[in-house]
Amino acid sequence: GAVVSQHPSRVICKSGTSVKIECRSLDFQATTMFWYRQFPKQSLMLMATSNEGSKATYEQGVEKDKFLINHASLTLSTLTVTSAHPEDSSFYICSARSGRSMDEQFFGPGTRLTVL
Amino acid sequence: DAKTTQPTSMDCAEGRAANLPCNHSTISGNEYVYWYRQIHSQGPQYIIHGLKNNETNEMASLIITEDRKSSTLILPHATLRDTAVYYCIVRANFNKFYFGSGTKLNVKP
Repeated sequence: GAVVSQHPSRVICKSGTSVKIECRSLDFQATTMFWYRQFPKQSLMLMATSNEGSKATYEQGVEKDKFLINHASLTLSTLTVTSAHPEDSSFYICSARSGRSMDEQFFGPGTRLTVL
Repeated sequence: DAKTTQPTSMDCAEGRAANLPCNHSTISGNEYVYWYRQIHSQGPQYIIHGLKNNETNEMASLIITEDRKSSTLILPHATLRDTAVYYCIVRANFNKFYFGSGTKLNVKP
C-alpha cells in the first residue's frame, strides 16, 4: 500500500516557539492531505484539509492563524503550530488522499508534540 | 456523514474470532462503511471497507446487514498484536473521515 511519512516523529519545544511538522506521500501524488489532532485517550479530531496549490480549509473551532498549513507540492504538506503553548501538546496525524482514487486515504505515523 | 455507535471496549481470547459491532442507522445510500484501527501511539491503519456486500481480505471480514444499518468487523483469529482501538466510519466518496470514539479491543492470552 501507499506510504505516508511524518517528520519529526517526536518534538519537544518551549512555550512561545513555533513548530513545523512535515507530511510526505512517498510513492504517490496526494492531491489532498488532512491534518488531525489527538489528545490522550481521545479520538482523532479533524483539523483541516489541504489541497495542493490552494488554501487549506479548517474545521469549525480550529484557529487558522494558529495552525498554518501549506501544501506546496503533490507530495508534501506542512503544519506549523505557531506560538505553541502547553495546551497544544498533542499527537498530530496527517493523511493523504491519492488522486487516483478518491476512496483511498493513507495515514502517517503521527508526530508527538510536547510543549513545555 | 452518518454517525456510528460502537461499544467502548471488548475482550477477546487469543486465537478466537473477534466480532466488533457498529451501528449506523442513519447511513445514506451512497455512504461506505470503513474500518480502521489504531495501535497505541501510531497512525490509523486501514482494515477494510464496503458498501452493501460482505467483504473479506487478508486482515478481516466485514459483514453488513441487508438494511445497512449495522455492520460487524470480524478478525477470524485474534492475536495479541490485534489489541487496538477499532474505528467504524461511514463516509460518502469525496468526503472527509470523521472518527468516533471507537472500540478498544483487548486480546488476552
